Amino acid sequence: EDKVVQSPLSLVVHEGDTVTLNCSYEVTNFRSLLWYKQEKKAPTFLFMLTSSGIEKKSGRLSSILDKKELFSILNITATQTGDSAVYLCAGLLLHGSGNTGKLIFGQGTTLQVKP
Amino acid sequence: DAGVIQSPRHEVTEMGQEVTLRCKPISGHDYLFWYRQTMMRGLELLIYFNNNVPIDDSGMPEDRFSAKMPNASFSTLKIQPSEPRDSAVYFCASTTGMRSNQPQHFGDGTRLSIL
Repeated sequence: EDKVVQSPLSLVVHEGDTVTLNCSYEVTNFRSLLWYKQEKKAPTFLFMLTSSGIEKKSGRLSSILDKKELFSILNITATQTGDSAVYLCAGLLLHGSGNTGKLIFGQGTTLQVKP
Repeated sequence: DAGVIQSPRHEVTEMGQEVTLRCKPISGHDYLFWYRQTMMRGLELLIYFNNNVPIDDSGMPEDRFSAKMPNASFSTLKIQPSEPRDSAVYFCASTTGMRSNQPQHFGDGTRLSIL
């Protein structure tokens, strides 16, 4: 069964701290791993990782994928209260010839950043 | 650019009633996904379409749920009859191509409460 597991499930830090969120996956016909941030409404896209060992960065956020060990991490440096959200990771599983596929989501990590 | 548009934003109805959720994907996107999010089960894929054709409906919980995509710019998810356990936030998402490294973009969701 395809599955994605995130840890920790929840985390409370203070502004300025650095956090690391973990995501492990067991997904057949794996194509990519995606990270999303969800605040009050829709998940918003952060990163898509397809190649192993290549770090992607966006401001204070960065992420990397290890396809050998089947995991990814999301780092947030110098956290701010606006980083408080649920962070979701998802494995993209391709079907058949690879022209169709679907995302398998983890449970999410709830991050609370205190002032 | 308009994102994925869902309606209604909130729906409260009594059990046994028919519920219809609507989604307009981003123009030009040929994949459309319906998800359900609950505290217990997280974000689950219900069904997805490619070029208006259902590809994978293995996540549809039971026969009370049905989804259609009559054209490239509109999809519905229908629950008949509704039950209290169907209460959740239902998200629609769209993307273009599985191999083009384009992420799924989510609508703001429909919060459904079945009394």
